[in-house]
Amino acid sequence: SAVISQKPSRDICQRGTSLTIQCQVDSQVTMMFWYRQQPGQSLTLIATANQGSEATYESGFVIDKFPISRPNLTFSTLTVSNMSPEDSSIYLCSARGLAGGNEQFFGPGTRLTVL
Amino acid sequence: GENVEQHPSTLSVQEGDSAVIKCTYSDSASNYFPWYKQELGKRPQLIIDIRSNVGEKKDQRIAVTLNKTAKHFSLHITETQPEDSAVYFCAVGRSARQLTFGSGTQLTVLP
Repeated sequence: SAVISQKPSRDICQRGTSLTIQCQVDSQVTMMFWYRQQPGQSLTLIATANQGSEATYESGFVIDKFPISRPNLTFSTLTVSNMSPEDSSIYLCSARGLAGGNEQFFGPGTRLTVL
Repeated sequence: GENVEQHPSTLSVQEGDSAVIKCTYSDSASNYFPWYKQELGKRPQLIIDIRSNVGEKKDQRIAVTLNKTAKHFSLHITETQPEDSAVYFCAVGRSARQLTFGSGTQLTVLP
């Protein structure tokens, strides 16, 4: 399985500021994703991070609010911009396609609290 | 797009009994069906998966069955133990595409 790390693991931020979350995979993977998970809820896909091109966003998520970068096959960042309390959630990085396989693995998550 | 429904939302069983969680999906082209276990405060962990060319797969006390015709698949946990208590998510997908997740099942194994 792939080892995925994220930082920061948690943060408390002020309304109106931005936070960038980093995701590092220990091996090259085909696909990287960013999810949001509210307490007691399922996983909601924010976007697919495309290497060398703009991310593909799901309905309800826009690039201006959640800019994403993926400069290579092992690293991605998600920025939560102009934060409001409604952005408080756990943000999870995920990777799929290790060695051409179908398995998808998750990072440990970043717990974000916006005051 | 794909629609995944998962039932039940909560499930309590006595230690040693079996637990079954079911998911249905809508896209007949889907061909990959993983199950994840998420303990409180932890990341989702892949516990078992099945591909569309297989009807059943077992790994010790865990098994998954797939009925492609009816578009549903199930997770079976036998001889449940307290450490099996967690939230379980099914997911559905295709190669090189994102997964669609079910709503989750909170499993509680009572000692």
